[in-house]
Amino acid sequence: ETGVTQSPTHLIKTRGQQVTLRCSSQSGHNTVSWYQQALGQGPQFIFQYYREEENGRGNFPPRFSGLQFPNYSSELNVNALELDDSALYLCASSLHLTGVTNEQFFGPGTRLTVL
Amino acid sequence: AQSVTQPDIHITVSEGASLELRCNYSYGATPYLFWYVQSPGQGLQLLLKYFSGDTLVQGIKGFEAEFKRSQSSFNLRKPSVHWSDAAEYFCAVEDYGGSQGNLIFGKGTKLSVKP
Repeated sequence: ETGVTQSPTHLIKTRGQQVTLRCSSQSGHNTVSWYQQALGQGPQFIFQYYREEENGRGNFPPRFSGLQFPNYSSELNVNALELDDSALYLCASSLHLTGVTNEQFFGPGTRLTVL
Repeated sequence: AQSVTQPDIHITVSEGASLELRCNYSYGATPYLFWYVQSPGQGLQLLLKYFSGDTLVQGIKGFEAEFKRSQSSFNLRKPSVHWSDAAEYFCAVEDYGGSQGNLIFGKGTKLSVKP
């Protein structure tokens, strides 16, 4: 069973640029959630994708957007990067069943540095 | 709004000593509660979870947690700490106001283990 994988591991961008982060969900999972973890903080929910549609969003501006593909993998896109976007971005996959809370399995994260 | 508080930013214990990490949540109904561990450069690993039933929950790696509704707490315990337990620990609650599986995390407690 393959776990959650994320790419790239590290990324350095400059302010104003755009970035795409990728996540492959664990086998059998149909839902992907993205979290931002700033240094010294707990992860913060960005959004979740289920059936290729956004299924909930945290308090993040529209320049944070995402996609989910038919194979359940996902992308996180951030436009017009700001210095405060520097963080560890975590992807988590789970199996969505109506009315049931299932464990989220986290990937190792992508460390984004914005200069 | 729901929130999670981990009062201790950093705790140091001696190897073999007992451990208790504190977590308090703010939520009106019975919450779904989780403890995750994060080693440096790693993603989050689920230690244990509480959904309902027995208020003492057993997890992996010898950890347990007790849900106390009267105190709005979900403290993590281990009777004898091993050097490999040094990591950052996050308490989380599922956000019912958001999408299924949207987790709200505390800021984390960093555990150091003295030989």
